[in-house]
Amino acid sequence: KAGVTQTPRYLIKTRGQQVTLSCSPISGHRSVSWYQQTPGQGLQFLFEYFSETQRNKGNFPGRFSGRQFSNSRSEMNVSTLELGDSALYLCASSLVAPQETQYFGPGTRLLVL
Amino acid sequence: SQQGEEDPQALSIQEGENATMNCSYKTSINNLQWYRQNSGRGLVHLILIRSNEREKHSGRLRVTLDTSKKSSSLLITASRAADTASYFCATDAPNAGGTSYGKLTFGQGTILTVHP
Repeated sequence: KAGVTQTPRYLIKTRGQQVTLSCSPISGHRSVSWYQQTPGQGLQFLFEYFSETQRNKGNFPGRFSGRQFSNSRSEMNVSTLELGDSALYLCASSLVAPQETQYFGPGTRLLVL
Repeated sequence: SQQGEEDPQALSIQEGENATMNCSYKTSINNLQWYRQNSGRGLVHLILIRSNEREKHSGRLRVTLDTSKKSSSLLITASRAADTASYFCATDAPNAGGTSYGKLTFGQGTILTVHP
């Protein structure tokens, strides 16, 4: 079975721009979670989607948003980018969640200049 | 905020030695998962241990969970150079409604270096 895939793998943007990241979960997985990883804050939960509905959200500003499509693929969007948004963005999928193993993709590394 | 605190922050050993990493957390949990990350890449799932389990094994990995002490440990036996990575514990903790809906709370991680 193919693993979680994320596109693009690397991205360079400038302050004020917006960015959209994509995540395709493992086939059959319906829950997708997003995380941000930075050296200072570590791994932090952004949000989780299941059946096109956001069920959980972390403590991030409204500039961070996401959605999920009927095929369980998910996108996250960051508007009005700030330098501090530079990070590795990871998505993870699980069969149903909660309380199930989450399988992570390789991540998208975003650099904001 | 980080739920888990990992100890030590860094561990350096020789190939063939055992490596033990510890994780403490603050609230009740549904389960605890251990992950490995190589050089800022994606996380690789190692083991999931549920709150009603005390010990699990997978190959050279042994995980224990002590819910009374709110702590877990990961033991890697007979370490190899390829085990060099960062190791994270992540807790799945219920919210007020009893569910967690896909939120894992990670510790800061232990950086393991295994010298050939």
